[in-house]
Amino acid sequence: GAVVSQHPSRVICKSGTSVKIECRSLDFQATTMFWYRQFPKQSLMLMATSNEGSKATYEQGVEKDKFLINHASLTLSTLTVTSAHPEDSSFYICSARLLADTQYFGPGTRLTVL
Amino acid sequence: DAKTTQPTSMDCAEGRAANLPCNHSTISGNEYVYWYRQIHSQGPQYIIHGLKNNETNEMASLIITEDRKSSTLILPHATLRDTAVYYCIVRVRDAGNMLTFGGGTRLMVKP
Repeated sequence: GAVVSQHPSRVICKSGTSVKIECRSLDFQATTMFWYRQFPKQSLMLMATSNEGSKATYEQGVEKDKFLINHASLTLSTLTVTSAHPEDSSFYICSARLLADTQYFGPGTRLTVL
Repeated sequence: DAKTTQPTSMDCAEGRAANLPCNHSTISGNEYVYWYRQIHSQGPQYIIHGLKNNETNEMASLIITEDRKSSTLILPHATLRDTAVYYCIVRVRDAGNMLTFGGGTRLMVKP
């Protein structure tokens, strides 16, 4: 099946710093990737839709200036959490759309902001 | 996307079939039923999807009622590794359409 990777798998950073998370589709090209966030014992919440070569579409309540998304190629999307704070600590998951009907998810990145 | 209702949690004995129900009474004609699962601290994993016919793959079977208002995901021989949260999602099969996750069913497979 299609494989999506994320890097890093875990990151711990100090409050006020920025963190970049990479999402790669390893064996297919993805014109659309999605970024989700999951807090403990909660379901996944969509943050934004990332389209190759264009600006990302953010869900209501998600600050686009805080969560910078870049989808520069058909196999790579990045999420940068700028000026991270402890409340940004979460499990960040990306997915890539292979066909119109199937999304494949990355393994997730656990961000801890001290 | 149509709303889905799933039990919060279920238990299943190892080696037995796990039957996970999902109600989607407001599903429209062009919406598919998708199932994903999420093992603890991992990304969701696609399992199966269908429109109106029953579907089977190497992971599971999907049974959709004739009126399409409910469906059941069947894991024929559950193992401990099948312990996860299972999400039933109904959505239009459309380019760019994201997945909306509800609460899911937490399946605990017990020895």
